Amino acid sequence: EAGVTQFPSHSVIEKGQTVTLRCDPISGHDNLYWYRRVMGKEIKFLLHFVKESKQDESGMPNNRFLAERTGGTYSTLKVQPAELEDSGVYFCASSLRQGIAFFGQGTRLTVV
Amino acid sequence: QKEVEQDPGPLSVPEGAIVSLNCTYSNSAFQYFMWYRQYSRKGPELLMYTYSSGNKEDGRFTAQVDKSSKYISLFIRDSQPSDSATYLCAMSEVGSARQLTFGSGTQLTVLP
Repeated sequence: EAGVTQFPSHSVIEKGQTVTLRCDPISGHDNLYWYRRVMGKEIKFLLHFVKESKQDESGMPNNRFLAERTGGTYSTLKVQPAELEDSGVYFCASSLRQGIAFFGQGTRLTVV
Repeated sequence: QKEVEQDPGPLSVPEGAIVSLNCTYSNSAFQYFMWYRQYSRKGPELLMYTYSSGNKEDGRFTAQVDKSSKYISLFIRDSQPSDSATYLCAMSEVGSARQLTFGSGTQLTVLP
């Protein structure tokens, strides 16, 4: 069974540009989560989808971040415009109902 | 004050040693306690999962939760070089979207 897949694995963009990260959850997992780890800090929750609905987006840092999950399958996280402080590793995780979360390998975003 | 405190290490031990990793937390609503292992450039991988207080053993790994002290531990017996990784504690509340609150991670190196 395929795990949580994220791409790209690494992205380098200039300040002010737009970047879109993609996450493909484990098939059948209704719950999808985005997390982020910035340099030197702990992994922090960004938001939670149940199917295509945003259940909790309390961790989203500001309105430059937009997450979507059309059709309740894969999800995208868009950063527009990107700022230097957005650099970090973005993790996606998925779970069955309220079960254990399985994480993807992460997307390392560098804003220069 | 962070909700979850974890000694970042680094921790270096000889092969075969017993390793003790710990986290403390301040939120008494946490009921689910997890330990994740993260290899370099990979996503967090679930190692142990415990609900409420008590001990849980899985092979060389033992997780302990002491809710009265708000303290959790992970013990690794007969440590191996392949155990070298960053170990993350994570917690969540009952009835929430199971969003996880992570510690900052402890970097462990097991020397052959």
